[in-house]
Amino acid sequence: GQQLNQSPQSMFIQEGEDVSMNCTSSSIFNTWLWYKQDPGEGPVLLIALYKAGELTSNGRLTAQFGITRKDSFLNISASIPSDVGIYFCAGQSVSEYGNKLVFGAGTILRVKS
Amino acid sequence: DARVTQTPRHKVTEMGQEVTMRCQPILGHNTVFWYRQTMMQGLELLAYFRNRAPLDDSGMPKDRFSAEMPDATLATLKIQPSEPRDSAVYFCASGLDRGNQETQYFGPGTRLLVL
Repeated sequence: GQQLNQSPQSMFIQEGEDVSMNCTSSSIFNTWLWYKQDPGEGPVLLIALYKAGELTSNGRLTAQFGITRKDSFLNISASIPSDVGIYFCAGQSVSEYGNKLVFGAGTILRVKS
Repeated sequence: DARVTQTPRHKVTEMGQEVTMRCQPILGHNTVFWYRQTMMQGLELLAYFRNRAPLDDSGMPKDRFSAEMPDATLATLKIQPSEPRDSAVYFCASGLDRGNQETQYFGPGTRLLVL
């Protein structure tokens, strides 16, 4: 089945540093989504990407939909303590069953202040 | 601020008991998804509805799990009988299917512990 490889698995960075994480797949997706999950909560949508090559920003977050449609990255600039959490990428493809999301395993982000 | 709501937020039960989890999708959304999250497996899709019709429940153990949408404002996930291995966080998500572009919005989850 479809799988996403998300890296790194975890990061422990200093407040103020920039963060970069990415997802790759052997399958083509027509949408890439990035979510953040705080402890005890559900994933919250950060950025949605719908076109290959698209670069989208949301505050300090920037994400890109890879040209090959098989990868995406998320950057966080000038990290702050509230950026702590688990970040998930998700790829969406159209099938006979409709639009299904495949999730990466997540990147755990810890920030030292 | 429209949100997906889920009840209960927490559930502790004994093996063999029936568990019912409820979800209210965002008003106007026409797709509903049920996911299970565990440390070992991550987020797994259990079932998927569009316009209240089940499209895909291939990720769901059929012998004990069932998912329904009695109306557009309510989706349910039942486990009968429950087993300790069902302990996990169950998320409901809803979205608006606009062809090949769809964004899913998650509820806060139901944390299930089966003893």
